[in-house]
Amino acid sequence: EIVMTQSPLSLSVAPGQPASISCRSSESLLHRDGKTYLFWYVQKTGQSPQLLIFEGTTALARVPDRITASGSGTEFKLKFSRVEAEDVGTYYCMQGINPRTFGQGTKVEIK
Amino acid sequence: EVQLMESGGGLVKPGGSLRLSCAASGFAFSNAWMTWFRQSPGKGLEWVGRIKSRSDGETTDYAAPVRGRFTILRDDSQNIVYLQMNGLKIGDSAVYYCSTDSGDLWGQGTMVTVSS
Repeated sequence: EIVMTQSPLSLSVAPGQPASISCRSSESLLHRDGKTYLFWYVQKTGQSPQLLIFEGTTALARVPDRITASGSGTEFKLKFSRVEAEDVGTYYCMQGINPRTFGQGTKVEIK
Repeated sequence: EVQLMESGGGLVKPGGSLRLSCAASGFAFSNAWMTWFRQSPGKGLEWVGRIKSRSDGETTDYAAPVRGRFTILRDDSQNIVYLQMNGLKIGDSAVYYCSTDSGDLWGQGTMVTVSS
């Protein structure tokens, strides 16, 4: 199975400051259909995970413009141009090639 | 309202069985591939398995740790997907979530505790 490795595992950021989370996969997530099967989720306290990004870089409509994703192959990043209080939560990358696997999660908190 | 709602969790002894249900509303369930995940403090988020739509053969895939013990079923007439869990082990204790296979809709989760 594909192993997903996130870093850092925790992030404490002052409001308004930039931040980023890295995610590395043990195999390329570029499928033969041309799509990259990398997803980003956020899980806020007491809630189920919410999808933010699919196919590596495509954000859902509800995702604010200050949160973007980049990457290809085996290296991916989730970037915050400026962190806000509502961004507190644990962020997970997940690869979508069965069996799907998740990274360990990155806990984001506000300083 | 577009939503998924799991039910059926609880406390069960090792070796026991449990059936979880996930009721869907607000979208074309019969066309949707559905997925089960679980989350435990020790193992984090794990994919459990998936069932395709009837038009795509209703085939299933399972994670290695549950293959042969868990079965995913669907009832399109009731908009429900099930997770039948047999031969439960202590390591199966987790919050179980159902999701659309696209990942953009999750239920609130149901807790399963396997303990003697």
